[in-house]
Parts: sequence; structure tokens; C-alpha cells
Amino acid sequence: NAGVTQTPKFQVLKTGQSMTLQCAQDMNHNSMYWYRQDPGMGLRLIYYSASEGTTDKGEVPNGYNVSRLNKREFSLRLESAAPSQTSVYFCASTTGGAKASPLHFGNGTRLTVT
Amino acid sequence: AQTVTQSQPEMSVQEAETVTLSCTYDTSESDYYLFWYKQPPSRQMILVIRQEAYKQQNATENRFSVNFQKAAKSFSLKISDSQLGDAAMYFCAYRSPRSYTPLVFGKGTRLSVIA
Repeated sequence: NAGVTQTPKFQVLKTGQSMTLQCAQDMNHNSMYWYRQDPGMGLRLIYYSASEGTTDKGEVPNGYNVSRLNKREFSLRLESAAPSQTSVYFCASTTGGAKASPLHFGNGTRLTVT
Repeated sequence: AQTVTQSQPEMSVQEAETVTLSCTYDTSESDYYLFWYKQPPSRQMILVIRQEAYKQQNATENRFSVNFQKAAKSFSLKISDSQLGDAAMYFCAYRSPRSYTPLVFGKGTRLSVIA
């Protein structure tokens, strides 16, 4: 059981380049999330998708776009990367309806923008 | 908006001793859910324990237990008989009772375990 799979694990970009972080889950979860983790800042929500076909902004959405491709997949796109987007990115999923259900996380993508 | 505060950026504990990590939160909701996650150096996020606010009883999972004080909006994590493998970042998180809402995380506490 793979759980939540994120690709790539590491990426280095130059300022202005674009890229898409991929996330897929095989747990039939309804809700999916993208967080970024920075030292001393905890995890901050970028975007989330409560269910297939919907997306909503989180705390720090500027500079990012998302696509809920289907129930399994939720991608995060950086159109023009900036050094401030250097971070570790986590994708997570949950059943959504069950309120005490925890988030299941991928192993993260470490992104460096130079 | 709800906020979660972890006031101890770093903590240390001797192996086999007990340590308590603090977490407070701010909310106007009466029903909600609280979580502690562990992040070892591998970067993986691992659920440690969860608490439902409507339950009076404090949650326990083996050596991990919480002290949930609803009136004080406090949710501390106690680790008993600390082991070297407990060394990690620990994050406290809040979830609203409304369906599909994301978790709100604190900034984390880095726990070191001294042999």
C-alpha cells in the first residue's frame, strides 16, 4: 500500500523557471492538501481540494496553482519560481468526511530556487 | 481563524525520562479535533496521537499521552520512558469540526534525547 506518493523528492530550479509537483494517493481519499514547511514556521497550507472538482486557497497561495486531476491526483504548479519558494513541500490526504480522521502525508519534496 | 502555538522551539530529555511538550490553541468553536505529529530526520510526518474535544478522557498511545485542558485551550504531549528514537520535530495541529477543513499546525518543537 503506497499511501501518498510525491514526485520528485528533490528539485533545484533557477529563478523564473516553472515546475509541477505531483501527488497521488491510493487510499480513495476525498480531500487533498498542499503544505509548505519552512524552518521555524511549521507547516502552512498552500491550497487544498475538499473533493474532486473543487480547490480552495490556503494561507500562502501566492505564486502557486493547483489542479485536482481526478480523485487520486492533486498537483501543485510553480509558474515562475522565486527564491522565497525554497521550501519542503508536503502533499497530504484524508477521507474528509470523518472529522477525526488524520492527514496522511507524502514524504515531501525539497525544492531549492537559486 | 484558529491559531496553534507551541511555545518551546527546542526541548531536551534524558533517555528513560519523561518530557512534556506544550501546545495552546485559539478557537471559538466548541467541538474540534487535536493532533500531535512527529517528524523524524527522515522528514516523514507520523501521527502520534489524536484527541476529540468532546471527549473528557485524555488520549493515550503506549508511551505517549496528552493532557487536554479544554477551558484553558491547552493540549500538551507527555512522552514517558523517552527513547533515542523519539528525537524529532513534534507538531501540534487543530482541525475544525466542519467537514473537509485542513489542519492548522503550530511551528513545532524540536526534541533531543540525550543518551
